[in-house]
Formats: sequence, structure tokens, C-alpha cells
Amino acid sequence: GGIITQTPKFLIGQEGQKLTLKCQQNFNHDTMYWYRQDSGKGLRLIYYSITENDLQKGDLSEGYDASREKKSSFSLTVTSAQKNEMAVFLCASSIRQRGNTLYFGEGSRLIVV
Amino acid sequence: AQKVTQTQTSISVMEKTTVTMDCVYETQDSSYFLFWYKQTASGEIVFLIRQDSYKKENATVGHYSLNFQKPKSSIGLIITATQIEDSAVYFCAMREPSSNTDKVVFGTGTRLQVSP
Repeated sequence: GGIITQTPKFLIGQEGQKLTLKCQQNFNHDTMYWYRQDSGKGLRLIYYSITENDLQKGDLSEGYDASREKKSSFSLTVTSAQKNEMAVFLCASSIRQRGNTLYFGEGSRLIVV
Repeated sequence: AQKVTQTQTSISVMEKTTVTMDCVYETQDSSYFLFWYKQTASGEIVFLIRQDSYKKENATVGHYSLNFQKPKSSIGLIITATQIEDSAVYFCAMREPSSNTDKVVFGTGTRLQVSP
């Protein structure tokens, strides 16, 4: 078994501030994902990475940067936090093979004051 | 472009009945994978069941089964003998490995409420 750890669980910042979320996995999975979930809504893909140092934009990448310096970790930066993007950010990972499922972290809640 | 649509926002059923949740998808690929995930009240998201596009038989795991209608680009989730603990939000998702990008997109979810 393995685990995905997201830090911090709550990230509080001021409007306009640059804020970073971190994700670590010990599954040794190739692919990692960042999704955003607004209250009561679905999961929207922000960035994903199929291997170390690879970055692929999702449908919601504007306003975000990502970094995959190691296979086990994937960071997401909100470049200028806005109050309308308060949401839960979910990290996931998967083996990069046909049909493999995603494993999710517990999520990080972004609060902009 | 990949797209997954769940039109039912909320369903309420009585315990021990059968419920079906709908999902339609769009893809350019001939090979793809469809998934259903469950998000509990605590926020935890877990995988439930998968359908490979090249398989004609519907997948079944425990009291979860799928109704895969490829010509209609539809993948319904069927839960039989529902239990209180099935109350959750259910997400449909699609993966297109042949595109070499490994993108996975989700629908907006269907909230299921099971009452005693």
C-alpha cells in the first residue's frame, strides 16, 4: 500500500499573494494530478505530470504554476490568490498504464482573506 | 477534447432499492477507460469500478455494476440493494491513454441520499 500526503491541510493567504500546495506520494507512481473542487461541484483538472520534470496543462491552468522536481512530489502554486478561487485542491497519482485508477490525497483547503 | 457529463445533480432513494446514475462522455479516441469514484462526507475519494472501452461485457464489483452503451457514449452506474452508507457523491471519469498524455477528466458528480 501507499499514501498521498498533501500539505498544508489548510492554506490561508491574502488576496494577491503567491501560495504553494505540496503533494507527496510513496506509491512510486509515474503520473500525478492536481484538481480543484469548488464547494458542491465536480473536479476540474489544473495540471498533471506524467514523469519527473514533465508538466501538462489541464482545463483550468490559468493562474496556476506547477512543479515536478522529483517523481514522488508535485507542487501547485497559486500565482495571485483571489477570493473567488477558495476551494479544495486535490492531488492524485496513478501508474501510467492502461486502465489504472487514481489514488487521491485528503485535499487542501485554500482560504483567501 | 475529452468531456464527461453527469446531468443528475441529486438522487434520493429508500434503503434496499436499486438506483442508476447516468454519465455520458465525448472522446476522439477508439480506446479509453471509464471509471466511477465515490466521495464520502469526509471528502475522501475512492475508486469503485472501471469499464474498458474494448470490452463488451458490463463490469460488476460487489453491488456496483455498469451499463455500458458504447453507441450512445453512455456509462451508467447501477447500485443494487442500496445501504445508508452508499450516501455520497458519485463521479464519473474518463482516461484516454492512447493520447500519450494520460489526462483524466471528471464529471460534475451526482449526490446520492439513501434513506431508511
